[in-house]
Formats: sequence, C-alpha cells, structure tokens
Amino acid sequence: DGGITQSPKYLFRKEGQNVTLSCEQNLNHDAMYWYRQDPGQGLRLIYYSQIVNDFQKGDIAEGYSVSREKKESFPLTVTSAQKNPTAFYLCASSIGRINEQFFGPGTRLTVL
Amino acid sequence: AQSVTQLDSQVPVFEEAPVELRCNYSSSVSVYLFWYVQYPNQGLQLLLKYLSGSTLVKGINGFEAEFNKSQTSFHLRKPSVHISDTAEYFCAVSVTTRGAGNMLTFGGGTRLMVKP
Repeated sequence: DGGITQSPKYLFRKEGQNVTLSCEQNLNHDAMYWYRQDPGQGLRLIYYSQIVNDFQKGDIAEGYSVSREKKESFPLTVTSAQKNPTAFYLCASSIGRINEQFFGPGTRLTVL
Repeated sequence: AQSVTQLDSQVPVFEEAPVELRCNYSSSVSVYLFWYVQYPNQGLQLLLKYLSGSTLVKGINGFEAEFNKSQTSFHLRKPSVHISDTAEYFCAVSVTTRGAGNMLTFGGGTRLMVKP
C-alpha cells in the first residue's frame, strides 16, 4: 500500500533538546511539506521541498530545520531555538501542478 | 496572495439534520479547490476536490460541494449527518504562482459537532 508514514506517533522531549520527526513516503511524489497544528487552529507551513536536495522556508520556519537527501524522506528537526514546540506536526506530499496533498498520520510533540 | 476563509469555526447540528460548512476564497485566477476532514489525533483525509468541469462535486461519506466562481465560494454540504461525521473540516485552495508552482492555502477549519 502506498502512503505516508510519520514516526513516532507521540514524542516527549525535555526543554533544550533537539528532536527529529520522521516522514517517509512511497508514493513517488516530488514535493513534501511540514505543517504545524495547534489546538483548535488551522495548519501553518513550516518548510517544503519540491525536489531532492532543495527546500524552502514556509511561514513559521524559525527554530526548525529540514533535509531532503532522498525523494522518499523529509525529516524535520525541532531545535532548542523553537520557543513553543508543543504541537501536532503533519507531513504531506504531492505531485504535479495541482498540488493535491496527501497527509501522514501526524506526530504529537510534547515538551516537558 | 490568496486567502481562504471558513466562516464558522464551530457548527453544532443534530444527527440526521442537513449541514453546510461555508468556505470563501480570494483569488482572481483559476483555482483548484479541496475539502479535507481531520478526525481527532489523525492526519487530513481528502473528502472531495474541484479541478474543472461540473461545479457540483461529490465526495466520500455522502458529502458534496458546489463551486461558485462569481461568489468565490466552495461550500460543503451533507443532507443528513451522522455522529461519525464529528470532526474538523478544512477548505483549501491551490493557485499557480509564478516561480513557485502551486501552493496550497488552508482555511482555519470548521469543527462539526453532531449531537444525538
């Protein structure tokens, strides 16, 4: 079955620690995206990548970093510079100009 | 830049009643339109999409939406809701931007609460 996987489902970290969220897709999609969702709010774009070895900042990139070394993978690192990292993180991918996005199940990050 | 407005943040409705979730967008160029559903602690799932052709689009779970170009709206409807339809619903617009390809802009979401 093709799809997007995110791991782990739940993640806890202490303040001051960096943490990396995994996102993998086997849909052969060119573009991948990271969104942040806070309770009762919509989606905010963190980073996106339209091709391997290239990525762009979204609306709220500060305190986050990404890499795109393989087409299938787009990991997101939440650094200690992110002031309020507790949130639900969603990864998505798309192909073609229409940009219909397919989403993973999400990772809930809680900073203790 | 385009924007998407979901006019109601919450919509309470009784089971088996009809519902309409409103979505308006701002764009002067051709758009592609989507509705997604999100159940608690899950990712977004595509309900339906408008790309071209008939302005009435049917999706999964008995939902449908109508594209109205003159009113720049894409309202989502269901004639009879079930308890299981309780979820967050997001409207999204994809617009071609020069040099950056198509970017997807999401509305703020509407929480549909179906009561027995």
